[in-house]
Amino acid sequence: SQQGEEDPQALSIQEGENATMNCSYKTSINNLQWYRQNSGRGLVHLILIRSNEREKHSGRLRVTLDTSKKSSSLLITASRAADTASYFCATAAYQAGTALIFGKGTTLSVSS
Amino acid sequence: EAQVTQNPRYLITVTGKKLTVTCSQNMNHEYMSWYRQDPGLGLRQIYYSMNVEVTDKGDVPEGYKVSRKEKRNFPLILESPSPNQTSLYFCASAGLGAGADTQYFGPGTRLTVL
Repeated sequence: SQQGEEDPQALSIQEGENATMNCSYKTSINNLQWYRQNSGRGLVHLILIRSNEREKHSGRLRVTLDTSKKSSSLLITASRAADTASYFCATAAYQAGTALIFGKGTTLSVSS
Repeated sequence: EAQVTQNPRYLITVTGKKLTVTCSQNMNHEYMSWYRQDPGLGLRQIYYSMNVEVTDKGDVPEGYKVSRKEKRNFPLILESPSPNQTSLYFCASAGLGAGADTQYFGPGTRLTVL
């Protein structure tokens, strides 16, 4: 069953702008991860935030986690055309016996 | 180089003809998983394995089989493929130790069942 739900489903911005994607989930988690997928290719891990963390940074990426609201956001600052891809959040809850449950993704288009 | 490999990358077959998609990882990961990706549905888990000889159903296991006889390999078997199994398939692996939660994905296998 799908746990994470990304919002918006699609986002179009200009180069240099910031892109924000949100993810909501339903049950308790151990961690939440964001992945990126270029068209038709495999997923690449971007960043992981644990349930006891509130914010994490990696280069131009900033992830926040609010466990009380069961939500997370991914911010990409100063977007580039090369950031055009689909972004998925995935939750890990080991008590469920399976490692990751993915949402349906946000498709980001960055135009130059 | 640490990686997950899948073969074949592309496959066109006909209804009912048994096929196997192989998956192999060289990271000594305990956890392996198969997903299918369909437009508008995101990634859905088919089967997963927590270790050798331990497999379990994901969200959409019907029509698929898996085996985990060796730690590095996790083949996906379609005994009698049907057109609704046309999809993009991904294999992934992960360690299960603390902090080793990242999943590593293979490049994908695009399957068309006619």
